[in-house]
Amino acid sequence: DAGVIQSPRHEVTEMGQEVTLRCKPISGHDYLFWYRQTMMRGLELLIYFNNNVPIDDSGMPEDRFSAKMPNASFSTLKIQPSEPRDSAVYFCASSHEGLAAYNEQFFGPGTRLTVL
Amino acid sequence: QKEVEQNSGPLSVPEGAIASLNCTYSDRVSQSFFWYRQYSGKSPELIMSIYSNGDKEDGRFTAQLNKASQYVSLLIRDSQPSDSATYLCAVNGNTDKLIFGTGTRLQVFP
Repeated sequence: DAGVIQSPRHEVTEMGQEVTLRCKPISGHDYLFWYRQTMMRGLELLIYFNNNVPIDDSGMPEDRFSAKMPNASFSTLKIQPSEPRDSAVYFCASSHEGLAAYNEQFFGPGTRLTVL
Repeated sequence: QKEVEQNSGPLSVPEGAIASLNCTYSDRVSQSFFWYRQYSGKSPELIMSIYSNGDKEDGRFTAQLNKASQYVSLLIRDSQPSDSATYLCAVNGNTDKLIFGTGTRLQVFP
């Protein structure tokens, strides 16, 4: 398996622009997680899905952020409009069935977002 | 108080020594505990998981858990320069969410 795939790997955009990050989880994994990592705040969970259904979005910073999972093999995280404070590395991770807490989360390579 | 706390380091140890990484957590109902390693510019990868009090060994790595003290640690024996990375402690309660600490940077020098 190719592992979790994320695109783009790097994104540089200007403040106010819309940004869409994409993720393909490992085939057969039922859980998908979106994280944001910064030096100051570390790795933060933004939202996670189980069987394509959003379960907990309490980590989404504000209404400018939205996430979807239209099918088992694809998810997007959208920021509209983007702001410089959104600059971070965004990771997608997936996990096998069962209580995800007991299953290893496999991380994608991340998308490094820079908002100018 | 942060939910999961780690010393940011850097922790510097000589090659061949034992590196000891520590983590405390605030939620007493936490049930599962993980150590992830993250090389600079890379994604986190799981190296150890532990669910019961005591020690769990896997090769050069030993995870130690003390739920009464809300403390989990990672020991790396015979440290190698290739172990130089940031080590993230992650904790879970009774949900599917992992709460990560901000990580400890380990430097192993020859």
